[in-house]
Amino acid sequence: DAGITQSPRHKVTETGTPVTLRCHQTENHRYMYWYRQDPGHGLRLIHYSYGVKDTDKGEVSDGYSVSRSKTEDFLLTLESATSSQTSVYFCAISEGVKNIQYFGAGTRLSVL
Amino acid sequence: AQTVTQSQPEMSVQEAETVTLSCTYDTSESDYYLFWYKQPPSRQMILVIRQEAYKQQNATENRFSVNFQKAAKSFSLKISDSQLGDAAMYFCAYRSALGTSGSRLTFGEGTQLTVNP
Repeated sequence: DAGITQSPRHKVTETGTPVTLRCHQTENHRYMYWYRQDPGHGLRLIHYSYGVKDTDKGEVSDGYSVSRSKTEDFLLTLESATSSQTSVYFCAISEGVKNIQYFGAGTRLSVL
Repeated sequence: AQTVTQSQPEMSVQEAETVTLSCTYDTSESDYYLFWYKQPPSRQMILVIRQEAYKQQNATENRFSVNFQKAAKSFSLKISDSQLGDAAMYFCAYRSALGTSGSRLTFGEGTQLTVNP
């Protein structure tokens, strides 16, 4: 357990509504990531952060924004949710010289 | 861009036997890391094993070992003495050793492993 908490764990929302997912870590890790998991695709990187206010895009960033105003929190926002954003979302942190990534428990998001 | 391919969507094994999961990757880099993650029905992603590309010796972790063939860009996972608790989705992942952006992981599509009693 790398001290990662994702909230909420499950969410159902309607198309066009804004959604924010939160990732909270307790161990002061510099790097944080957001991935989405879809059948047949494994996990794909949405956005990542390498420090407070330092973020960059991953391979599937369209329709998503992120913010990191504190080391411990990394927020993923869907400004206007679409059905194609129905997925399981994972937050991860990168730890130590081995740069191993550890994952949160995931958030299942359904956009109806 | 790097790609990771797992050509076996599903595998099955009898309890106590050995199974090998395949993974191939494509990269032009010489320094990188490879990982196997396990995802049981709980959905939690669990690191199984890690390999550094500059090391010729294959990594092992208890009943889990890898066969790393750098020239062939192959990274298979062997599970010995399979247990019911090994049943899960297994993901192969690649990470470049270069720079800040190199810390991201690129995943394969996954292999669903069933363990039969």
